Amino acid sequence: DADVTQTPRNRITKTGKRIMLECSQTKGHDRMYWYRQDPGLGLRLIYYSFDVKDINKGEISDGYSVSRQAQAKFSLSLESAIPNQTALYFCATSDADSYEQYFGPGTRLTVT
Amino acid sequence: KQEVTQIPAALSVPEGENLVLNCSFTDSAIYNLQWFRQDPGKGLTSLLLIQSSQREQTSGRLNASLDKSSGRSTLYIAASQPGDSATYLCAVGLNNFNKFYFGSGTKLNVKP
Repeated sequence: DADVTQTPRNRITKTGKRIMLECSQTKGHDRMYWYRQDPGLGLRLIYYSFDVKDINKGEISDGYSVSRQAQAKFSLSLESAIPNQTALYFCATSDADSYEQYFGPGTRLTVT
Repeated sequence: KQEVTQIPAALSVPEGENLVLNCSFTDSAIYNLQWFRQDPGKGLTSLLLIQSSQREQTSGRLNASLDKSSGRSTLYIAASQPGDSATYLCAVGLNNFNKFYFGSGTKLNVKP
């Protein structure tokens, strides 16, 4: 089984809808991250969490919110989806000592 | 803000050729640098992690070097194979441990 899983893998939604992307990990890492990837722009950090009680904004947090339900679960919500949030979304974890990152398979989100 | 640049954006080589991918960053106060491989529609697979105190890391046909003072890292792929075709991303982790900055990647095509 994969160490970092994301659901759903693909999602098409309409403008204005609320949507939640979920991430689970079995690596036992405290640190978790949400990124989005757009063509030609690389990955950009949306939110990150160092433990259940620690949530921090990344460079592009506007329009997004997160919830850290447990050490193993970190969810990303789009309160009111808009077309420019169409992107590939990745969840990642990192080891506390080396800070090596481990990524989930991604969720392809399309907002029409 | 840390800027990470990868050149070239795309590269096409015949099978068997040795090649070098480049990653440059603007702030030398880094904690680590990680090279990833991304296949179409897939997540990121970690290839090599170099800590700031190291100058290089090797795994099989891959060798990554780090020169903090010049803000550069290179990924050397020996004896390239068609299966190496993918997008290669570098990510820089900063000293404050909070954030990773990604380059936009080099898309590699190895022709049989």
